[in-house]
Amino acid sequence: DIQMTQSPSTLSASVGDRVTITCRASQNINRWLAWYQQKPGKAPNLLIYEASSLQSGVPSRFSGSGSGTEFTLTISSLQPDDFATYYCQQYNSSPWTFGQGTKVEIK
Amino acid sequence: QVQLQESGPGLVKPSETLSLTCTVSGGSISSYYWSWIRQPPGKGLEWIGYIYYSGSTTYNPSLKNRVTMSVDTSKNQFSLNLSSVTAADTAVYYCARVPPSVAPGPDALEIWGQGTMVTVSS
Repeated sequence: DIQMTQSPSTLSASVGDRVTITCRASQNINRWLAWYQQKPGKAPNLLIYEASSLQSGVPSRFSGSGSGTEFTLTISSLQPDDFATYYCQQYNSSPWTFGQGTKVEIK
Repeated sequence: QVQLQESGPGLVKPSETLSLTCTVSGGSISSYYWSWIRQPPGKGLEWIGYIYYSGSTTYNPSLKNRVTMSVDTSKNQFSLNLSSVTAADTAVYYCARVPPSVAPGPDALEIWGQGTMVTVSS
């Protein structure tokens, strides 16, 4: 199985901050990577697919980059609605696997 | 807009079979992949598998011997059966729509249901 490792596990930030979350794959996954946002008690919501494509309806302050084994999710200016847990997920090969999550907290 | 809704028992006894259905509304089940994902309380996400609208399946090997997925295009529904459940199968179960990618195969988990909590307990 491909292991997905996110860092950091927890991130404390303020409204307006630029935030970057990193996701590393244990082997090459090309650009088959997605990012999801999950709020407590809710289903995950797709933000980014194919490493850098913004899902329809997602604010442009979210962006993704990377290929191969290293990927980043960037929030250019953190908004109150962005405090949540973020997961990366590879779909290059079965079984699809998720990172352990990064919780973005209010500083 | 397309919506997904999971349904099924919230409590299943150990060693029995967990059965869930996902009903798709606002769009057709055709031309898409359909997936199941689960999340134990307070933990991360685990992919269970997916089924193409034609019926072909791909399962997570860690669950493969216990998982069966099916699709009913006439009802716009797809289903999950997980046999021989234990307390470790207690989780919120999500269904999700997966569009085809530009390369052959599925893309990301595009639209999710709200999830349904399933507890395994006697």
